[in-house]
Amino acid sequence: GAVVSQHPSWVICKSGTSVKIECRSLDFQATTMFWYRQFPKQSLMLMATSNEGSKATYEQGVEKDKFLINHASLTLSTLTVTSAHPEDSSFYICSARRQGPRGTQYFGPGTRLLVL
Amino acid sequence: KQEVTQIPAALSVPEGENLVLNCSFTDSAIYNLQWFRQDPGKGLTSLLLIQSSQREQTSGRLNASLDKSSGRSTLYIAASQPGDSATYLCAVNSGGYQKVTFGTGTKLQVIP
Repeated sequence: GAVVSQHPSWVICKSGTSVKIECRSLDFQATTMFWYRQFPKQSLMLMATSNEGSKATYEQGVEKDKFLINHASLTLSTLTVTSAHPEDSSFYICSARRQGPRGTQYFGPGTRLLVL
Repeated sequence: KQEVTQIPAALSVPEGENLVLNCSFTDSAIYNLQWFRQDPGKGLTSLLLIQSSQREQTSGRLNASLDKSSGRSTLYIAASQPGDSATYLCAVNSGGYQKVTFGTGTKLQVIP
């Protein structure tokens, strides 16, 4: 089956620093990748959709300058949380989809971010 | 805008019982619907995926049904076990950008 990895699995950083999270599709090419965020005891909320080679589409209320998304290849997307603050502490999950709207989204294992 | 609701929000059952989790969505023009489980502090485990042209999918003790016209899906768990305790999420793939909208989740506890 299709595998999506995320790195790192968890990260602790100081307030004001930037953190980069990688999402890779290991055995398939993903034309579209998605980034989600999950607050404690809440469901996953879509942050942005990224298509390879183009700018990401952000959901309403998500600061594009705060959460930088790059999708440089068909197997890699990165999310950079810039100038992180404690309120950015959350669980971030990516997913990758093969070509086509009916393509299944395969989810990564998630990255837990704690900003001190 | 797609909205996905899951009922109940929490459920506690004794081991061995059969149970049904419900998921409803507002926009019936979907591509597919997926059920996941999430253990505390962990990522998502995909359970079942139903394409819009299908009415149900089965995997072991799990059976998921889809009624697109009424905007509903159910996840049936047979002979529940303590290891089934987790939060169950349904996710609907729909819209012009094929976005996945997650439900609010049902937290299941199976008591030994």
